[in-house]
Amino acid sequence: DVKVTQSSRYLVKRTGEKVFLECVQDMDHENMFWYRQDPGLGLRLIYFSYDVKMKEKGDIPEGYSVSREKKERFSLILESASTNQTSMYLCASNILAGGYNEQFFGPGTRLTVL
Amino acid sequence: SQQGEEDPQALSIQEGENATMNCSYKTSINNLQWYRQNSGRGLVHLILIRSNEREKHSGRLRVTLDTSKKSSSLLITASRAADTASYFCATYRTYKYIFGTGTRLKVLA
Repeated sequence: DVKVTQSSRYLVKRTGEKVFLECVQDMDHENMFWYRQDPGLGLRLIYFSYDVKMKEKGDIPEGYSVSREKKERFSLILESASTNQTSMYLCASNILAGGYNEQFFGPGTRLTVL
Repeated sequence: SQQGEEDPQALSIQEGENATMNCSYKTSINNLQWYRQNSGRGLVHLILIRSNEREKHSGRLRVTLDTSKKSSSLLITASRAADTASYFCATYRTYKYIFGTGTRLKVLA
């Protein structure tokens, strides 16, 4: 069974803290993605990575950074958490093969910044 | 703004009825996908339709794509209470997926 796991389901942090969200996939996928999901706004792409040590900005990268040191792991970093980063964070991965490229999602991390 | 916009935003039907959700998008695409999200969980892929396809079926799901109108529809036939979830369309073009804001479907038993 394919699997994408995220380090925490729920996380509460204080303003100004450095926050790490971890995502691990066991499918040997090249591509990994981080989204945030907010009511009324759907999913918005923060960053994605198509290979180890490679990263590309998505639509809302400000205030975030990422790290991909190993193929299976993609980390999202909030350098200095702010209250407007309270959100649901979703990680996904996929492989581009013949145009069929469904994304596999993790269960999500609901982050609250106080 | 979001490329994909689902319509309606919310839908409530009785078990056994059909549910239809629509998605509109703005630019050319390689394919369009539909996902389901149960409350507070991650998304699960339902079906993918390529830009050169017009209709696709998977079990109780039927998806249509009209590239001239830049729109797609998802039909769930004979709905069940377990179909209660949010449904999102996602358009794909060159590494990037753009998700709509979703349709919240509630199926009443």
